[in-house]
Amino acid sequence: GAGVSQSPRYKVAKRGQDVALRCDPISGHVSLFWYQQALGQGPEFLTYFQNEAQLDKSGLPSDRFFAERPEGSVSTLKIQRTQQEDSAVYLCASSLGLLSYEQYFGPGTRLTVT
Amino acid sequence: SQKIEQNSEALNIQEGKTATLTCNYTNYSPAYLQWYRQDPGRGPVFLLLIRENEKEKRKERLKVTFDTTLKQSLFHITASQPADSATYLCALDDNTDKLIFGTGTRLQVFP
Repeated sequence: GAGVSQSPRYKVAKRGQDVALRCDPISGHVSLFWYQQALGQGPEFLTYFQNEAQLDKSGLPSDRFFAERPEGSVSTLKIQRTQQEDSAVYLCASSLGLLSYEQYFGPGTRLTVT
Repeated sequence: SQKIEQNSEALNIQEGKTATLTCNYTNYSPAYLQWYRQDPGRGPVFLLLIRENEKEKRKERLKVTFDTTLKQSLFHITASQPADSATYLCALDDNTDKLIFGTGTRLQVFP
């Protein structure tokens, strides 16, 4: 079946612009996660949804970052007034949830803020 | 908070040898620990999960051990092949559903 997809794959934004990153999880997966990955580092947790409920957003770096999953499937990560330090790869992952812990990752969106 | 340490230096080994990667954590023992593989430009791919009450788990040429006394997991690839060259990430739960990842260790298998 189809895996996790993310769009766009690459995004270049001028500093101060707003961006929206989309994630299509595996059909039927209850849990959805967003991570930020800097070059040479492991993924860092941003936020987590179970169905449409955002259960944990402790990793969001500032109030410029906002995520939603209104119908419990597709999710969007929005970054307002982008800054250069927001440049990174943004990864989305989904899992079955309900005590199934392995996560399935999308290819990521590489965001470059100039 | 939980911290994970993986060897940041690349591991270079010859084809056919066993590669051993280390993951150490500093605080409480997690309920489970996972290993992922990441290739350049791609998202991580799940390989193995081991629970706190399991000492060892195997899958084909892969073996993972989990020592809660040492706060360490070892990841072994036997009969390594050039196609095994990638970055390997260790991840553990934060006593919640989210994962904390290490920085990863880059493995290079040369012919």
